[in-house]
Amino acid sequence: GNSVTQMEGPVTLSEEAFLTINCTYTATGYPSLFWYVQYPGEGLQLLLKATKADDKGSNKGFEATYRKETTSFHLEKGSVQVSDSAVYFCAPLSGAGSYQLTFGKGTKLSVIP
Amino acid sequence: DAMVIQNPRYQVTQFGKPVTLSCSQTLNHNVMYWYQQKSSQAPKLLFHYYDKDFNNEADTPDNFQSRRPNTSFCFLDIRSPGLGDAAMYLCATSRGSSYEQYFGPGTRLTVT
Repeated sequence: GNSVTQMEGPVTLSEEAFLTINCTYTATGYPSLFWYVQYPGEGLQLLLKATKADDKGSNKGFEATYRKETTSFHLEKGSVQVSDSAVYFCAPLSGAGSYQLTFGKGTKLSVIP
Repeated sequence: DAMVIQNPRYQVTQFGKPVTLSCSQTLNHNVMYWYQQKSSQAPKLLFHYYDKDFNNEADTPDNFQSRRPNTSFCFLDIRSPGLGDAAMYLCATSRGSSYEQYFGPGTRLTVT
């Protein structure tokens, strides 16, 4: 089955620091890849996506590149803000017939002023 | 704005007392999902509907049921809630099963 290995948290950074959250996956076929973000007490929001190898997804200053050769989809942001404090989930979507979104365990990010 | 709406946002029920959570969508998506998310864990898929076709996950307890009376609405019924069912319940929709999923804000269920 599919699986996701996501960087363990919590991660604490100072404002304007560089962020990397690592994600590697195993999945059936050629999955689409997603990063979701969950702010405290809220549901998940789609942050960015990539649907094929070498695609780069980007949104709100965050980026992730679909690396088929390393089965990775690392999340990066050049300068984090306090408002980026949240839990981030990496999730490949794949399947044969019945597609499943497989979530990583989540990485909690805290950004301090 | 097109969206996924969950009501109520917070629900308190008593041990063993049936409870229903609701989800509606204005996206006109074919697929609707219910996830359970316990504290500090990833969401766990309970079941989903593709149009009227119901798909249950193998490890979803029988205590959990779902109804989808029309495209826009989907309900999660917990027949006899136990203390272990306290969690955030997330509804999501997608255009098709191979497309990205859009989540509602969730309903936090407390069982007393």
